[in-house]
Amino acid sequence: AQSVTQLDSQVPVFEEAPVELRCNYSSSVSVYLFWYVQYPNQGLQLLLKYLSGSTLVKGINGFEAEFNKSQTSFHLRKPSVHISDTAEYFCAVKRITGNQFYFGTGTSLTVIP
Amino acid sequence: EAQVTQNPRYLITVTGKKLTVTCSQNMNHEYMSWYRQDPGLGLRQIYYSMNVEVTDKGDVPEGYKVSRKEKRNFPLILESPSPNQTSLYFCASSTDRVNSGANVLTFGAGSRLTVL
Repeated sequence: AQSVTQLDSQVPVFEEAPVELRCNYSSSVSVYLFWYVQYPNQGLQLLLKYLSGSTLVKGINGFEAEFNKSQTSFHLRKPSVHISDTAEYFCAVKRITGNQFYFGTGTSLTVIP
Repeated sequence: EAQVTQNPRYLITVTGKKLTVTCSQNMNHEYMSWYRQDPGLGLRQIYYSMNVEVTDKGDVPEGYKVSRKEKRNFPLILESPSPNQTSLYFCASSTDRVNSGANVLTFGAGSRLTVL
């Protein structure tokens, strides 16, 4: 079975400061990894994904994430946040074979002016 | 435009009154799924479908039914809603076909349900 742990439920950060949202997963098989973002009163949209290749993945809005297989982590980072980055962020995994996705409980990022 | 469409977006109902939340996708995706989102619990899967006439339970299926008679539609049925089913519901779809943006879940805008 797969599981996803997002270690921080809430992360407040000042505007233009860097941020890291942490995600760890457990799986007995190889997986794909994702970050989704949910802006207030909206559905979820894909921020970035890791399927294979380079372990550093770049996504939309200046976000990037690094896949670390030995630590089973996929932390999300941005060097300088904006007010508009205030949102809920979800880490997710999917087995390479099959279509089921497993989500973490989410991290609420609040950017403070 | 490629999208997943859910209806209704908002609904207030009373305990025991059957309701259906519709979900339709126009991307010819094989996989469709329903999630509920609750504060502090994140997204929990209710039911999913790998293809037409193939459905299976997710993590929290109690009190819900689904059907997949056509590839594009995956309605969520609450036969006898209860207050603990008050939640924000999301439908999503995906495919394994490489040329169709494989391995990415596309979400609907959500349906906020309140059961009194």
